[in-house]
Amino acid sequence: EVQLVQSGAEVKKPGESLKISCKGSGYTFNTYWIGWVRQMPGKGLEWMGIIYPFDSDTRYSPSFQGQVTISADKSISTAFLQWSSLKASDTAMYYCARQSSGWPYSFDYWGQGTLVTVSS
Amino acid sequence: DIQMTQSPSSLSASVGDRVSITCRASQSISTYLNWYQQKPGKAPNFLISAASNLQSGVPSRFSGSGSGTDFTLTISSLQPEDFATYYCQQTYSTSRTFGQGTKVEIK
Repeated sequence: EVQLVQSGAEVKKPGESLKISCKGSGYTFNTYWIGWVRQMPGKGLEWMGIIYPFDSDTRYSPSFQGQVTISADKSISTAFLQWSSLKASDTAMYYCARQSSGWPYSFDYWGQGTLVTVSS
Repeated sequence: DIQMTQSPSSLSASVGDRVSITCRASQSISTYLNWYQQKPGKAPNFLISAASNLQSGVPSRFSGSGSGTDFTLTISSLQPEDFATYYCQQTYSTSRTFGQGTKVEIK
């Protein structure tokens, strides 16, 4: 069974750093792209970027380029999303999702989400 | 980025109604179009790929159509468990944008 298990909720202050995780199991982690999706409170889904764990090839949405860093450690089947300096506007639910292999590149499996709250 | 615009943003319908949601792309995306369902407090659930391919386990009352710039998600007979928010997503470009969502509420 394919599973993506995300790290737990975080409460941080503005300016702090943060790294959240997404661990895959039940499939060959290295050979599927993993994506990250933001959902701000009461709002819709925003595609942030994706990474191919095999070689760490990473693509970002222009809206998120330079704002976050996506990485992966294939030895532990885990993808990461990190911030170097959080802002209040980073408060959101963050989902990881597996991209299907090949066309049409759907997000076929999703993690349960990690709620990030940034408040002074 | 390719912009995806859904309409309506919300709708009210009764159990048994036929419901259609439209998704329009700012440029042609062939059939690189997926649909997801999200219930409150839950992660999205993958419904339809490539504009019209129903995923395994998704009820047959759901269907998708379209190509190019205009796409439709149809629920033929709305059931209580279908009240949710629906999102389209294009995967034609590397930056794979979502529509803003359509909330289906109980009338």
